Amino acid sequence: QSVLTQPPSASGTPGQRVTMSCSGSTSNIGSNTVNWYQQFPGTAPKLLIYSSNQRPSGVPDRFSGSKSGTSASLAISGLQSEDEADYYCAAWDDSLNGPVFGGGTKLTVL
Amino acid sequence: QVQLVQSGAEVKKPGSSVKVSCKASGGTFNSYTFSWVRQAPGQGLEWMGGIIPMFDIVNYAQNFQGRVTITADKSTSTVYMDLSSLRSEDTAVYYCARDGGSYRQNWFDPWGQGTLVTVSS
Repeated sequence: QSVLTQPPSASGTPGQRVTMSCSGSTSNIGSNTVNWYQQFPGTAPKLLIYSSNQRPSGVPDRFSGSKSGTSASLAISGLQSEDEADYYCAAWDDSLNGPVFGGGTKLTVL
Repeated sequence: QVQLVQSGAEVKKPGSSVKVSCKASGGTFNSYTFSWVRQAPGQGLEWMGGIIPMFDIVNYAQNFQGRVTITADKSTSTVYMDLSSLRSEDTAVYYCARDGGSYRQNWFDPWGQGTLVTVSS
């Protein structure tokens, strides 16, 4: 059971805008910034969004992150087939004194 | 551009230990924190612990306290993760990653390629 809660799946058609949620508590998302990772099958995760809404160099601006209270969201606009992957949210948890992850959302591009 | 290269796959017996290495190249080693994250087959990501090589300060996740030891060799820019008393549930891909940001507001980038550890009798 993951500390952060993500829906197990999401889907969209090419060109569509898709959002996925990440729910936590006051000890993690409510107090700290959120990061998002993208993972393709058989490969290591890749940092997609850091500090809740910042994109690392090289990440397309189609990807955006936001945070409000104890929840966060990842939005992908102009969905492309190559966006089909697993997406994980993460945040530091003050009670556990370490970072925690969500269970991941598998994005399918129809 | 820092790159993290991990040691190869391992097959271990239940009750034994495994030591996975992660060598950093192309960047500053001492001043960063390096973490270990594992992923069981078909499952999500789980943080195991981290180390600041400059100060040899380690922080372990509660779930792994007493079973995991993370060390660093500054002379070779290599971080190690030693997991003992292995059981079948420890079968997973183990990743090292460099921490960015600051304490409590940190992220993992980049990641190593992963090391598959299989625990089987």
